[in-house]
Amino acid sequence: KAGVTQTPRYLIKTRGQQVTLSCSPISGHRSVSWYQQTPGQGLQFLFEYFSETQRNKGNFPGRFSGRQFSNSRSEMNVSTLELGDSALYLCASSLAVAGYQETQYFGPGTRLLVL
Amino acid sequence: DQQVKQNSPSLSVQEGRISILNCDYTNSMFDYFLWYKKYPAEGPTFLISISSIKDKNEDGRFTVFLNKSAKHLSLHIVPSQPGDSAVYFCAAIPIFGNEKLTFGTGTRLTIIP
Repeated sequence: KAGVTQTPRYLIKTRGQQVTLSCSPISGHRSVSWYQQTPGQGLQFLFEYFSETQRNKGNFPGRFSGRQFSNSRSEMNVSTLELGDSALYLCASSLAVAGYQETQYFGPGTRLLVL
Repeated sequence: DQQVKQNSPSLSVQEGRISILNCDYTNSMFDYFLWYKKYPAEGPTFLISISSIKDKNEDGRFTVFLNKSAKHLSLHIVPSQPGDSAVYFCAAIPIFGNEKLTFGTGTRLTIIP
């Protein structure tokens, strides 16, 4: 079974631009979560999507948004990029059986550099 | 407020010996815990998990211990191998099946040949 895939793997943008990152979950997985990893803050939860709806949200500004499509693929968008948005963005998927805690499986990440 | 803490940023262990990585948490609503291993420029890879109804879970060379009263978990790797050199994150999920993972800050494990 193919793992979680993320595109692009690397991205360079300038301040003020916007960026869209894509994530394809493991086949059959319905939940997709996004995380940001930076050297200073570690791994931090951005948001989680399930059945095309945002189910959970972390403490990030509204410049960070996402969506999920009917095939469970998800996109994350960051508008008006700031230098501090430079990070590794990780997507994780899980089956998300209701009321049952499950392991999340991560993709390789998209490394974003904002200049 | 760091709800999941890994107080040792780094650890060096001789090949063949036991590696013990520790993790503490403060939120009593956490009841499912996972360990992930991460190589540079890659996503975290799931290693092992434990539910709060257990105090030990074993998978090959990896064993996770959970002490709920102390809000402490540990990962034991025996015997340690050079390929185990990576950053290890513990993560926690709260009760009610919320999919959000709260991660610790990670411990860099170096296995010395």
